[in-house]
Amino acid sequence: AQSVTQLGSHVSVSEGALVLLRCNYSSSVPPYLFWYVQYPNQGLQLLLKYTSAATLVKGINGFEAEFKKSETSFHLTKPSAHMSDAAEYFCAVRGFQKLVFGTGTRLLVSP
Amino acid sequence: DTAVSQTPKYLVTQMGNDKSIKCEQNLGHDTMYWYKQDSKKFLKIMFSYNNKELIINETVPNRFSPKSPDKAHLNLHINSLELGDSAVYFCASSASYQETQYFGPGTRLLVL
Repeated sequence: AQSVTQLGSHVSVSEGALVLLRCNYSSSVPPYLFWYVQYPNQGLQLLLKYTSAATLVKGINGFEAEFKKSETSFHLTKPSAHMSDAAEYFCAVRGFQKLVFGTGTRLLVSP
Repeated sequence: DTAVSQTPKYLVTQMGNDKSIKCEQNLGHDTMYWYKQDSKKFLKIMFSYNNKELIINETVPNRFSPKSPDKAHLNLHINSLELGDSAVYFCASSASYQETQYFGPGTRLLVL
């Protein structure tokens, strides 16, 4: 069965600093991986996805993620945090007819 | 134009009541889902429908009954509401189960 683990329930950065949100996966088949963002009191918005093409995936709002099979990781990064990036971020792996989500990481951005 | 919409956005009700949440997608997708997000923000699949047929029922109490009148709609009816049902319920859709899922804005259910 597929699963993902997100390290760190909260990550705090200063505006302009590098953002790094960690996600490790477990999958018995080549995984399809996703990052979603949830702003307060809103639904989930797709940031980016990995579907076995390029290992470096670029998404919206300046985010990108790199698939590393040897490390079973799919970490999300952004070179320079903006106040508007403050949100909950979810890593997910595709299972059969469903997405399996991690527990989420809340990103806090301070001025 | 909203791709996946849910009504109502907020729902406050008493224990023991029966309530429904509606979901509609205008993306032409064949597959629809219900997810539950608990108070700790954990998201878990409840149901998956493909072309109006139930594919996944992820050990959800039978008080929860999804209904798909057509491919564009997937409604969730909940009988005899309990305190533990308080959560945010998200509807999602995808072109097929292999494709990207798009989520609705969620329905925040509070059972008193």
